[in-house]
Parts: sequence; C-alpha cells; structure tokens
Amino acid sequence: NAGVTQTPKFQVLKTGQSMTLQCAQDMNHNSMYWYRQDPGMGLRLIYYSASEGTTDKGEVPNGYNVSRLNKREFSLRLESAAPSQTSVYFCASSNYGYTFGSGTRLTVV
Amino acid sequence: AQSVAQPEDQVNVAEGNPLTVKCTYSVSGNPYLFWYVQYPNRGLQFLLKYITGDNLVKGSYGFEAEFNKSQTSFHLKKPSALVSDSALYFCAVRDVNSGAGSYQLTFGKGTKLSVIP
Repeated sequence: NAGVTQTPKFQVLKTGQSMTLQCAQDMNHNSMYWYRQDPGMGLRLIYYSASEGTTDKGEVPNGYNVSRLNKREFSLRLESAAPSQTSVYFCASSNYGYTFGSGTRLTVV
Repeated sequence: AQSVAQPEDQVNVAEGNPLTVKCTYSVSGNPYLFWYVQYPNRGLQFLLKYITGDNLVKGSYGFEAEFNKSQTSFHLKKPSALVSDSALYFCAVRDVNSGAGSYQLTFGKGTKLSVIP
C-alpha cells in the first residue's frame, strides 16, 4: 500500500544511547517532516526537508539530527538520548496534503 | 508566524447529537486549513481541508467544517455523532505564502472527542 512507513514502531533506550528512526515514502512527495507528539502539546515540528538535499530546523530541533538520504527516505537521529525525548514520533510527507506514518513510540529511561 | 488554537481539551457529546470541535487560527496571509483525526495508537488521518471557494467544506465520515474569515475560525461539525467518532482531533494551518517549496503545517494541541452511548 502506498504511504509512509516508519521503523521501528516501539523502542526503549537508556539515557545516553543513540538511535536512528527510519522513514520512507513511496508517493514521490518532495517534502518530508518529523514531528513529535506529547500529551497536551499537539504535534511539534522537529525538522523538515523541503526537497531532496535540503533540511531545516523546525520548532524543537535540539538533540536531533536528520538526513534526507534520497527523495524517499528521511531519517531522524538521536545522538545521546535523554528522558525528555520520550515521545511518539511521526514522519510525514507532502506535495500538498500531508500523509503521516503510524508513528514510533520511544521511551528513554 | 502562524498559529492554531483549539480552546477545548475535551468535548463530550451524546450519540446522535450534533457535535462541534472549535478551531481558530492566525496567519499573516491567506490560510490553508486542515482537520485530522487520530485514533488510539494510530497515526493522523486526513478529514478535510479548506483551500479556497465555498466556506462550507465536506470531508470524510460525514464531517464538515465552516471557514469564517472574519472570525478566523474553522470549526469541525457533524450533524449526528457516532460512538466510533470518539478520537483526538487536530486542526492545522498553513500560510499560503510559506515558501521554499515546503508546506509546513502548524497544529493545534488537539481536542479529545468522547461520544457517549
């Protein structure tokens, strides 16, 4: 099925560990995004990529890095995880309307 | 800067009654407006959008929304609520003039809708 695929779906990390969240879309969209969702906070933009080869900071970029590997793939990296990064992470892609992945539930202990 | 406000954290409505979930927005130019729904442990699903034209927009699952430019509002409505409508609803806005080829959406904090049997 066409859409946005995120891996993994669940992850538990220890403080200080690193990991990369993967996202791939097969809709030939130009723009891709990473959001985090926290209770009572809605979705907040971490980073986005307007097109292949470009990335920009969103509202809450600290502690994260991203890579737009090609048009299909946009990864989010946590270099040294902190408990404050416990959240649900959503990847999305768009040419106009947004399509969201099913999310990665990350817990940092 | 663009922003969205959803003034109600939770809305409770009896099954069969009409429902309204409120949203107001702020953009410097003309807005593109969206509603998304999120069921437990799922991603966001698109419901409807306003781009231009008729102020009353019809979307998925019998939902509709009314764009009111003077009140900068885009309230979500449904004539008869179903228990299966219980979910988290997000309003989002994009400034028509946001450039660089990226269509950044700004989301409200969400409203939890509970439909009571």
